[in-house]
Amino acid sequence: KNEVEQSPQNLTAQEGEFITINCSYSVGISALHWLQQHPGGGIVSLFMLSSGKKKHGRLIATINIQEKHSSLHITASHPRDSAVYICAPRRGSNYKLTFGKGTLLTVNP
Amino acid sequence: DTGVSQDPRHKITKRGQNVTFRCDPISEHNRLYWYRQTLGQGPEFLTYFQNEAQLEKSRLLSDRFSAERPKGSFSTLEIQRTEQGDSAMYLCASSFDRGQFSGNTIYFGEGSWLTVV
Repeated sequence: KNEVEQSPQNLTAQEGEFITINCSYSVGISALHWLQQHPGGGIVSLFMLSSGKKKHGRLIATINIQEKHSSLHITASHPRDSAVYICAPRRGSNYKLTFGKGTLLTVNP
Repeated sequence: DTGVSQDPRHKITKRGQNVTFRCDPISEHNRLYWYRQTLGQGPEFLTYFQNEAQLEKSRLLSDRFSAERPKGSFSTLEIQRTEQGDSAMYLCASSFDRGQFSGNTIYFGEGSWLTVV
């Protein structure tokens, strides 16, 4: 069983739709990252959270430590949001992250 | 601040050859990480450095792989006697940490793509 499960694996949306990507993990963690990866490789850290909720622009990330679950929401989605979104729990104080396989999001105009 | 730089971005090599990748982290970052990513998968941890000390190595890092960070700044990842299974993207990342969970974020490079033919 993978330590990190993301759903859905692929998601196609129309511009303007509300997007939700889910992440479940099976181990205790100190924090969880949501990362964005564009074609060609570059990875950007969107959020790091250990409890509650964080918001940055149209992006919202929530985490429930007891349920070992996190969600990434995108409001008013736009074609430029098209990318792979990766959930990566962090154990301990270093960045030995465990990555999910990612969710490929395609937002059509 | 130019971010995390990796070189080369792409490398095609014949099986059995040696390859070396370089990573230049953000200048004040004391921690440097190497990850490997294959198509359709999330990155997998390979190793990390705190300054010049290599503190942890994954079991994925066979004896053909070696990583160094000699002066606590740039790092190299060398793969000897490459095999087709080594074909992947090798990602470098860096962060600044004071030993305890400081809440600082991690910055990734663009990755170095390796194709072994």
